[in-house]
Amino acid sequence: GEDVEQSLFLSVREGDSSVINCTYTDSSSTYLYWYKQEPGAGLQLLTYIFSNMDMKQDQRLTVLLNKKDKHLSLRIADTQTGDSAIYFCVHGSSNTGKLIFGQGTTLQVKP
Amino acid sequence: GAGVSQSPSNKVTEKGKDVELRCDPISGHTALYWYRQSLGQGLEFLIYFQGNSAPDKSGLPSDRFSAERTGGSVSTLTIQRTQQEDSAVYLCASSLTRDTDTQYFGPGTRLTVL
Repeated sequence: GEDVEQSLFLSVREGDSSVINCTYTDSSSTYLYWYKQEPGAGLQLLTYIFSNMDMKQDQRLTVLLNKKDKHLSLRIADTQTGDSAIYFCVHGSSNTGKLIFGQGTTLQVKP
Repeated sequence: GAGVSQSPSNKVTEKGKDVELRCDPISGHTALYWYRQSLGQGLEFLIYFQGNSAPDKSGLPSDRFSAERTGGSVSTLTIQRTQQEDSAVYLCASSLTRDTDTQYFGPGTRLTVL
């Protein structure tokens, strides 16, 4: 079935770049998303990329998509303590209209 | 404008009781989704409504779970005879249309079954 996998934990120092990686199995994607979940807060859409794109940049965020390898990454430049959260890689299936979530990567930013 | 709202924010119930969780989607959004997030897990799709079409119930874990959406707007997720394994955060999302339009999530309802 459809599956999205991502590493569970990443720790970086404030000011460094963070790279969160994700792989997915379903090739029928239309959109791929990154959602952010802060402690005690709801899910917040961070950014997304169309499946016909290779890269999207939005301020400190860079999303890279390798369709051949079914690999998605999120790079956060100049990571701040406020970036500490769980980041979910999400695959949107054009077959089913459903979102398939990875388990989330907990990003810890040390001062 | 107003986002997706859910109520209650927290619900504690005893095993065997029924619970109802409510979701108010963003006005004008025709698609509405329910997900469940168990501790340490990703989100699990439960059910999806699109306009007046029959809902996609393929993610409901058992027949104790049901949902309805009245007037194409507010949705209620009902869990009958709750079990401890039902404890989770139940999230509602809405999107303008189907076809992987961006989904906007509510804050969730944390359900604890004792």
